[in-house]
Amino acid sequence: KAGVTQTPRYLIKTRGQQVTLSCSPISGHRSVSWYQQTPGQGLQFLFEYFSETQRNKGNFPGRFSGRQFSNSRSEMNVSTLELGDSALYLCASSSLLDTQYFGPGTRLTVL
Amino acid sequence: AQTVTQSQPEMSVQEAETVTLSCTYDTSESDYYLFWYKQPPSRQMILVIRQEAYKQQNATENRFSVNFQKAAKSFSLKISDSQLGDAAMYFCASKGQGGSEKLVFGKGTKLTVNP
Repeated sequence: KAGVTQTPRYLIKTRGQQVTLSCSPISGHRSVSWYQQTPGQGLQFLFEYFSETQRNKGNFPGRFSGRQFSNSRSEMNVSTLELGDSALYLCASSSLLDTQYFGPGTRLTVL
Repeated sequence: AQTVTQSQPEMSVQEAETVTLSCTYDTSESDYYLFWYKQPPSRQMILVIRQEAYKQQNATENRFSVNFQKAAKSFSLKISDSQLGDAAMYFCASKGQGGSEKLVFGKGTKLTVNP
């Protein structure tokens, strides 16, 4: 089985721009979660989707949004980028009540 | 709310020796899962081991084993016969069973393996 894939792997944006990150889960997994990893804050939960519905959301501003498609692929969007949004964004997929498997991440740099 | 604490920011071990990484957690859920993930310099988060809280038996995966003390809310990871490839950040994480896949992570422990 192919693992979780994330595109793009690297992104450089400037303040004020917006960005969309994509995640394709392991085949058969319907749950997708997103995490932000920074040196200062560590790993923080962004949101979780299951069957195209957001089931849980972390404590992030409304500039962070996401969605899930009928094929379980998910996207997250960050609008009006700030310098502090520079981070590694990790996507994970799972079957319900099972282990989450992570993708390689997208490294976002905001200049 | 769940919290996970890793009190050792860094640890080192000699190749072929044994090392134990500590983790404590707090949760109000009656049933939950605990995990250790490894993140090497490539940044890919890799599952090391998983423990269901309702199971009294400690989980084991080859050279990796846990010491799960439910009453003490402690979940340490033991790595036996350490190898150079074990060098990485190790994260302890918890997940409740109440309708969310959300993982709560500790701050991580950086493990160095000396040849």
